[in-house]
Amino acid sequence: GAGVSQSPSNKVTEKGKDVELRCDPISGHTALYWYRQRLGQGLEFLIYFQGNSAPDKSGLPSDRFSAERTGESVSTLTIQRTQQEDSAVYLCASSLIRRGDEQYFGPGTRLTVT
Amino acid sequence: QQQVKQSPQSLIVQKGGISIINCAYENTAFDYFPWYQQFPGKGPALLIAIRPDVSEKKEGRFTISFNKSAKQFSLHIMDSQPGDSATYFCAASYNYGQNFVFGPGTRLSVLP
Repeated sequence: GAGVSQSPSNKVTEKGKDVELRCDPISGHTALYWYRQRLGQGLEFLIYFQGNSAPDKSGLPSDRFSAERTGESVSTLTIQRTQQEDSAVYLCASSLIRRGDEQYFGPGTRLTVT
Repeated sequence: QQQVKQSPQSLIVQKGGISIINCAYENTAFDYFPWYQQFPGKGPALLIAIRPDVSEKKEGRFTISFNKSAKQFSLHIMDSQPGDSATYFCAASYNYGQNFVFGPGTRLSVLP
């Protein structure tokens, strides 16, 4: 079956503009994660959705970042008033909690803020 | 307490050699320890994972060794190949994946 997909694959935006990144998880996966990965760095947790529970937003770096998920489907990560330090690859992962903790990652969206 | 430490930061191994990457954690609530492999321009992919009820897990050339008392676990890549050149991340989680923490990564280069 299809894996996790993300769009766009690349996004270049001007400082101060808003951007919206999209994640389509694997069908049936109840958990969805967003991570940020700066060049040459590890994965920085941003937000976690699990079913209909309240999302864990503890990793969001500022109030310019927000995310939504419709049921157990698509998620969007929105960054308002982008700053140059927001430049990174944004990775989405989904997981089928019933089978354990394996996360399946999408290819990421490379965001460049000029 | 939520950190996972990983070493070395980078590793160069000759083809056919053994690559060893080490991780350590503090939070004893962690109950799942996966390793992810990431190639440039790609998302991480699950390589192998272990739970603390066993001390070792082997899948092909990849082995996880787990030391619960020392709160350490390691990845061993036997007969390393140039195609293994990638960045490797250890991770730890508990609460069915809600609390998921990644190590900073190890860049492995296997020389032909």
